[in-house]
Amino acid sequence: KAGVTQTPRYLIKTRGQQVTLSCSPISGHRSVSWYQQTPGQGLQFLFEYFSETQRNKGNFPGRFSGRQFSNSRSEMNVSTLELGDSALYLCASSLGTSGRGLEQYFGPGTRLTVL
Amino acid sequence: AQRVTQPEKLLSVFKGAPVELKCNYSYSGSPELFWYVQYSRQRLQLLLRHISRESIKGFTADLNKGETSFHLKKPFAQEEDSAMYYCALRVPYGGSQGNLIFGKGTKLSVKP
Repeated sequence: KAGVTQTPRYLIKTRGQQVTLSCSPISGHRSVSWYQQTPGQGLQFLFEYFSETQRNKGNFPGRFSGRQFSNSRSEMNVSTLELGDSALYLCASSLGTSGRGLEQYFGPGTRLTVL
Repeated sequence: AQRVTQPEKLLSVFKGAPVELKCNYSYSGSPELFWYVQYSRQRLQLLLRHISRESIKGFTADLNKGETSFHLKKPFAQEEDSAMYYCALRVPYGGSQGNLIFGKGTKLSVKP
């Protein structure tokens, strides 16, 4: 079974631009979560989608948004990029809505650099 | 607010020595606790979870609710255990249901 895939793997943008990252979950998985990883803050939860609905949102500004499609693929968008948005963005999928015992499988991440 | 603390950024041991990676959490209810591992150039993967009470690759972790700890232990470290280890908490219900709250990680280095 193919793992979680994320595209692109690397991205360089300038301040003020916007960016869209894509995540394809494991086949059959309906829940997708996004995390931001930085050296200073570590891994922080962004949001979770299940059946095209956002179920959870972390403490990030409204510039960060996401969506999920009917095939469970998910995208996250960051508008008006700031230097501090430079990070590794990880996507994780699980079989259903996060609940007791459901394992999250992580993708390789998208490395975003904002200049 | 829920929080996970891993007090050691780096832990260095010799092969064959016991290893303990510390994890403390703050949450008043009954959380789910996990250990994730990231080997060099590999993706983050689940190592073990407290509800399974299992031993993976020789590692075990016991949830101590009194001390709010979930330390990861292995009696004899191997060089291939060198990796970044993250402790994570998941709130099983409530406003933050489902998402993982990670500690900042401990880099384990096992020397030959």
